[in-house]
Amino acid sequence: SQQGEEDPQALSIQEGENATMNCSYKTSINNLQWYRQNSGRGLVHLILIRSNEREKHSGRLRVTLDTSKKSSSLLITASRAADTASYFCATDGNNAGNMLTFGGGTRLMVKP
Amino acid sequence: ETGVTQSPTHLIKTRGQQVTLRCSSQSGHNTVSWYQQALGQGPQFIFQYYREEENGRGNFPPRFSGLQFPNYSSELNVNALELDDSALYLCASSSAPSTDTQYFGPGTRLTVL
Repeated sequence: SQQGEEDPQALSIQEGENATMNCSYKTSINNLQWYRQNSGRGLVHLILIRSNEREKHSGRLRVTLDTSKKSSSLLITASRAADTASYFCATDGNNAGNMLTFGGGTRLMVKP
Repeated sequence: ETGVTQSPTHLIKTRGQQVTLRCSSQSGHNTVSWYQQALGQGPQFIFQYYREEENGRGNFPPRFSGLQFPNYSSELNVNALELDDSALYLCASSSAPSTDTQYFGPGTRLTVL
């Protein structure tokens, strides 16, 4: 089963626009991470936000976390064609099994 | 590039066969986790190995098994393959068994006919 659910499932924007993806999860967490995947290949870690943090920035990426609503958002500003990929949120579910639980992903297409 | 390598890149098997997938972790990492990603879905945790011992398992049957070697490389074995085992298999290495940043390999695409 997948704890996180991304919204929207697919997003198509023009180069230069901002892209916002949302993630909801079900149980309490220690941290939440966002990963990117190009064309069904390996995942690339983008950013990690801990449960006691509300916002984090990395370059053109901005992540917010609202633990009261069990939700997170990923904002990519000034998008580029190279940002075209699938984006996944992953939570640790505050479990002892050391497993990451991924959502179903948002497929982002950035048109040049 | 994460430094995590997987072999083979692609594999085709028939139902009932057995398969072994391999993963070499990033230098200095002692923990390897395996994930199954069906087409169009997010990865699902299979299990984790830390210092050659299984250290957590997801909701997968016993025909999914693994090994970790002294050099921290790892194998995923799947017996009695089923059609639904067709997926991208990803391994991820990390410097500790926590759920902080994991470094993923490029994956092995398994097709079961």
